[in-house]
Amino acid sequence: EAQVTQNPRYLITVTGKKLTVTCSQNMNHEYMSWYRQDPGLGLRQIYYSMNVEVTDKGDVPEGYKVSRKEKRNFPLILESPSPNQTSLYFCASSSAGTPSPYEQYFGPGTRLTVT
Amino acid sequence: GQNIDQPTEMTATEGAIVQINCTYQTSGFNGLFWYQQHAGEAPTFLSYNVLDGLEEKGRFSSFLSRSKGYSYLLLKELQMKDSASYLCAVSGGSYIPTFGRGTSLIVHP
Repeated sequence: EAQVTQNPRYLITVTGKKLTVTCSQNMNHEYMSWYRQDPGLGLRQIYYSMNVEVTDKGDVPEGYKVSRKEKRNFPLILESPSPNQTSLYFCASSSAGTPSPYEQYFGPGTRLTVT
Repeated sequence: GQNIDQPTEMTATEGAIVQINCTYQTSGFNGLFWYQQHAGEAPTFLSYNVLDGLEEKGRFSSFLSRSKGYSYLLLKELQMKDSASYLCAVSGGSYIPTFGRGTSLIVHP
């Protein structure tokens, strides 16, 4: 089954404790991205990657890191989480192929709470 | 950069038709998407427009005018299960779509 998986689905942590949210896709997509979603602010792009070893900042990259060492994986790293990073996070992947190029396939989401 | 505007909230009656508008400004254009998102769930793809005109898919249709930077999503024969957020997203120069803030649609009996 074609899918994007994220782990963990739920996480409660404390300020300053490094964490990683994993994302993996099995569709051989070139493009992967991370979004955070907050009430009233919609989906905001954190980082994106257009291929292996190619990453770029989105609209809200501060406090986050990513890596793309393999095509299928795109982990999101919070080196020192703070309460303002409490949010719902989505990973997504896409390709340039038809019928709808760059259509985003989303993971199920990770709800992160930082206390 | 990109700027995408859509209404925050709309209400409609079951069985009716509703049109959700989206205006955008973007550097480069590689397509416009509409997604549906129920509370706490991931967005799901509804439609894709890259050329001007109307794309129809069952009860849902999407229209695009590139010269006006304008799109709308038309939902016909509304059902209660259509109560959700509808997200307009534009793929620009970076190819990765940027999303608007979403329109929360409430369908009442």
